[in-house]
Amino acid sequence: DAGVIQSPRHEVTEMGQEVTLRCKPISGHNSLFWYRQTMMRGLELLIYFNNNVPIDDSGMPEDRFSAKMPNASFSTLKIQPSEPRDSAVYFCASLGSGELFFGEGSRLTVL
Amino acid sequence: GEDVEQSLFLSVREGDSSVINCTYTDSSSTYLYWYKQEPGAGLQLLTYIFSNMDMKQDQRLTVLLNKKDKHLSLRIADTQTGDSAIYFCAEGASNKFYFGSGTKLNVKP
Repeated sequence: DAGVIQSPRHEVTEMGQEVTLRCKPISGHNSLFWYRQTMMRGLELLIYFNNNVPIDDSGMPEDRFSAKMPNASFSTLKIQPSEPRDSAVYFCASLGSGELFFGEGSRLTVL
Repeated sequence: GEDVEQSLFLSVREGDSSVINCTYTDSSSTYLYWYKQEPGAGLQLLTYIFSNMDMKQDQRLTVLLNKKDKHLSLRIADTQTGDSAIYFCAEGASNKFYFGSGTKLNVKP
């Protein structure tokens, strides 16, 4: 298995632009998580899905952030409009047999 | 379950053993994990232990769990320069995972 696949790996954008991050979980994994990592706050859980249904989005910072999981093999995290404070590494992870597997992350820089 | 504490830094010499410590708060955690993150990369699962176990050994890695004190440790034997990374402790139960802030391990040649 190729593991959790995220794209893009790097994105640089200007404040106010829409950003879409993508994730393909490991086949057969029923739960998917979006995390954000910054130096100041460490690793923060934004939202997680179970069987494509959002279960807990209490970590989503504000209405500018939204996440979808239209099917078992794809999820998106969207930021609209983006702000410089959104600059971080965004990780997707999928859960199988008690093990949480992370993607390589999407490094977002908002200028 | 949200308070997972780790020291921020550890420095050891190549060939020595490293011990990274972690404390957690949720006694209902089912699994306790150790992840490794190298610069610019994602978190890589190193090992995990079920909450009903006291110890797990996997090659150079030894995980010790003290449930009474809610203390978890990771021992790396014969530490190599390639072990330099940030190590995260995490606890998990019912699809909730809480991560520590990570311990940066520096291995000096």
